[in-house]
Amino acid sequence: GQQVMQIPQYQHVQEGEDFTTYCNSSTTLSNIQWYKQRPGGHPVFLIQLVKSGEVKKQKRLTFQFGEAKKNSSLHITATQTTDVGTYFCAENSNSGYALNFGKGTSLLVTP
Amino acid sequence: NAGVTQTPKFRVLKTGQSMTLLCAQDMNHEYMYWYRQDPGMGLRLIHYSVGEGTTAKGEVPDGYNVSRLKKQNFLLGLESAAPSQTSVYFCASSFSAAGYNEQFFGPGTRLTVL
Repeated sequence: GQQVMQIPQYQHVQEGEDFTTYCNSSTTLSNIQWYKQRPGGHPVFLIQLVKSGEVKKQKRLTFQFGEAKKNSSLHITATQTTDVGTYFCAENSNSGYALNFGKGTSLLVTP
Repeated sequence: NAGVTQTPKFRVLKTGQSMTLLCAQDMNHEYMYWYRQDPGMGLRLIHYSVGEGTTAKGEVPDGYNVSRLKKQNFLLGLESAAPSQTSVYFCASSFSAAGYNEQFFGPGTRLTVL
């Protein structure tokens, strides 16, 4: 079942404000993936983090993996209306063949 | 390349009816997955396959069956649909084990069971 908890469940920001979503686990994770799903769309892969303390950037998006590999975060700088959607983190399932997804954080950006 | 395709896009069933959802991928991926997505529940794994001819249960397999007769296709069957199976169903594929490789998702099938 789901091993990762995401907070917040919802976030409403004004365009230009920053946004952060957190993904937490009670156990050490082998890696973490992040996906974005636009309203009415399907999940799209954003990134995978593997190393302890890893930080990766994609334009205005910054992804971090905690030193203990038990948490991760996605930070968006100066949000735009195109950032609207639900952001999911996903961790490797016990079988190693599949992913366990968090419940997601839904981001609404108003102009 | 079309990536991952799903048919149908929408379907309405009556309780007790059966149907099959088809997923096809043209990326020569070994691994394929079926998820259901319900409001506030995220994505939950129904069944998955690690190669042609193999299937395995996920988190919520009850009421569903799957088959992977060809590498490129993964079928999800509902033998006797129930209102609790009203959901959006996503198929996904990955080159190798999803825990280490990105998953590519299809556009989804929106199923309503009355």
